[in-house]
Amino acid sequence: TQLLEQSPQFLSIQEGENLTVYCNSSSVFSSLQWYRQEPGEGPVLLVTVVTGGEVKKLKRLTFQFGDARKDSSLHITAAQPGDTGLYLCAGVHTNAGKSTFGDGTTLTVKP
Amino acid sequence: GAVVSQHPSWVICKSGTSVKIECRSLDFQATTMFWYRQFPKQSLMLMATSNEGSKATYEQGVEKDKFLINHASLTLSTLTVTSAHPEDSSFYICSARRASGSGNEQFFGPGTRLTVL
Repeated sequence: TQLLEQSPQFLSIQEGENLTVYCNSSSVFSSLQWYRQEPGEGPVLLVTVVTGGEVKKLKRLTFQFGDARKDSSLHITAAQPGDTGLYLCAGVHTNAGKSTFGDGTTLTVKP
Repeated sequence: GAVVSQHPSWVICKSGTSVKIECRSLDFQATTMFWYRQFPKQSLMLMATSNEGSKATYEQGVEKDKFLINHASLTLSTLTVTSAHPEDSSFYICSARRASGSGNEQFFGPGTRLTVL
């Protein structure tokens, strides 16, 4: 079984603080996606990273793919209550095409 | 683009009945669709991978005779929960992978909340 370890599992912070979520694996991925999910809804794709060392920015969110394509991070600057949700990383295995999902990070941003 | 719909959004049924959930890619063709199950505050658990025109591939521990999957076209996959029991109550989510494009992203439907009484 190829695992994708996501941390932290839960995070509760005040509005305005910064945070980083990590996804780590011993496997190499052909690509990795980050999703955000709100209760009772399906996950929404935030970004896809493909190239080792790649950095992508989406407003206050910065995504990084490790050089070896085994790990990734999501950094949120000046978090807002609207950022509250479940964040999921998903790695697509080279040649397999199937995604492995991390366990998720439940983020709560308090006003 | 890349919108996936799911129907119904919620369903309540009696124990022993069957329930069909539809997953449609509205503005793209999906070579592959996936069915997941999710428990509260947990990540997604892959149940099966559905390829158009071929049999679904089920994950270990998922009963293929209980969770029937049909991928009739490049835009439609259905999951039928047969002889549903209370332990089948869960949030079922489908996703679709585009036939074209890079990155192998999956685009998710809004989910179906199944409650079996």
